[in-house]
Amino acid sequence: DTAVSQTPKYLVTQMGNDKSIKCEQNLGHDTMYWYKQDSKKFLKIMFSYNNKELIINETVPNRFSPKSPDKAHLNLHINSLELGDSAVYFCASRQSTLSGNTIYFGEGSWLTVV
Amino acid sequence: AQSVAQPEDQVNVAEGNPLTVKCTYSVSGNPYLFWYVQYPNRGLQFLLKYITGDNLVKGSYGFEAEFNKSQTSFHLKKPSALVSDSALYFCAVSNYGGATNKLIFGTGTLLAVQP
Repeated sequence: DTAVSQTPKYLVTQMGNDKSIKCEQNLGHDTMYWYKQDSKKFLKIMFSYNNKELIINETVPNRFSPKSPDKAHLNLHINSLELGDSAVYFCASRQSTLSGNTIYFGEGSWLTVV
Repeated sequence: AQSVAQPEDQVNVAEGNPLTVKCTYSVSGNPYLFWYVQYPNRGLQFLLKYITGDNLVKGSYGFEAEFNKSQTSFHLKKPSALVSDSALYFCAVSNYGGATNKLIFGTGTLLAVQP
C-alpha cells in the first residue's frame, strides 16, 4: 500500500498552461505538505495544511494555489506556468499531535515546463 | 531560526568500508533531527530520527546516527557500505509547534559507493 501517493509522476507542459498535481495519503494523518525540490536538489517547504486549514504559506507566488478538500487530500494547482517552475514537487504528510512525529513523503511529481 | 548544514556535497567510499555523512545543526531549544535518503528518480525515504534519549539512533538499512549536543552534530554512519547505498542523503531539523511543524533540510550529500 502506498502511504502518500501523488499524480502525475511526470508532467511536461508549455509555458502559460495551467496544471494540477494531486496527492492522497492513507495514513490517517491530519497534516499535509507540499515541498519543492529545485534543479540543485534543494528542498523547500511551500505549503502545509492541517485538517483542511492552510497553516504554512512560504512566500510562494500566488500562481500556486493549494486545495485540501479533506484531510486525506492536498492538491496543487499552478496557473500560467513559467520555465522556473520546473522542479520536483513532493507531497508529504504527518500526524501533528506529537512534535517529533515523522513526515512521510510521496514519490514526487517531476514537472518540466518548456 | 533553525538551520542544517551538510558540509560535503559528495562522499566517496569503497564497498565494505565504513561510511560517515556529516550534518551539523543550529536550533534554539532541543532539536528534532532526521535523516532521509533519495534514490534516483524516487521520493524521500525516512531513515531515522533523534527526538530524545539515547544519543545513538539506529534506523533502516543498517544506518545509524549519533547525536552530539556539544558539537551540534548528527552524523549518519554505517559500518560497512554497500553499492546499493549510493544515493542522495538529506539531514533535516524540525521545529516545534504541532500543526505548524515543518522540516528544514540541508543541501544534501551524494554518497557514491564504489565496488
